[in-house]
Amino acid sequence: EDQVTQSPEALRLQEGESSSLNCSYTVSGLRGLFWYRQDPGKGPEFLFTLYSAGEEKEKERLKATLTKKESFLHITAPKPEDSATYLCAVKEGYSTLTFGKGTMLLVSP
Amino acid sequence: DVKVTQSSRYLVKRTGEKVFLECVQDMDHENMFWYRQDPGLGLRLIYFSYDVKMKEKGDIPEGYSVSREKKERFSLILESASTNQTSMYLCASTSTGEGQPQHFGDGTRLSIL
Repeated sequence: EDQVTQSPEALRLQEGESSSLNCSYTVSGLRGLFWYRQDPGKGPEFLFTLYSAGEEKEKERLKATLTKKESFLHITAPKPEDSATYLCAVKEGYSTLTFGKGTMLLVSP
Repeated sequence: DVKVTQSSRYLVKRTGEKVFLECVQDMDHENMFWYRQDPGLGLRLIYFSYDVKMKEKGDIPEGYSVSREKKERFSLILESASTNQTSMYLCASTSTGEGQPQHFGDGTRLSIL
């Protein structure tokens, strides 16, 4: 069973159409949940770290939230340049990161 | 800004060859990682290192080895390349400390023919 599950696998939005990406996790002792953005042919780029339930972080049109079992990445009024794959990863205890398989977002003009 | 540099963006090798992938970071990070990324499988950890000359196996170490002779450089070695090692390889680094994010290079797309 995957410890980190992202949904949907792919999402197509019109420019300006807000939506949310989900990352659910089953680890105990969460020491951090990380969101990354990955453009085609490039490495993941760090966006946010969340540590505890109720925490929120914002950057431009992106807002990440965390509960005890999942995190959401809300995208408000997206633009075509927001098109990318968004990856979620969790750190349990002092272990390494476990990544989800990602959500591929396409924003059409 | 943290910069993680991988020596090659694209590499084509033949089965049975010994292949070296190099990664250098410029932020004096203690921790370095090697992943491979495949469609439908996501990022999987191959090896990591918490210090010079230290190495730890990740989830899929078989067929790979690593070398960390200097703090800034972490090398991934395919001892005898096979076609199932065709993949995107990503290197990352991070400092020690609670919640520090990993910073990634742009990857090496390796094809084994």
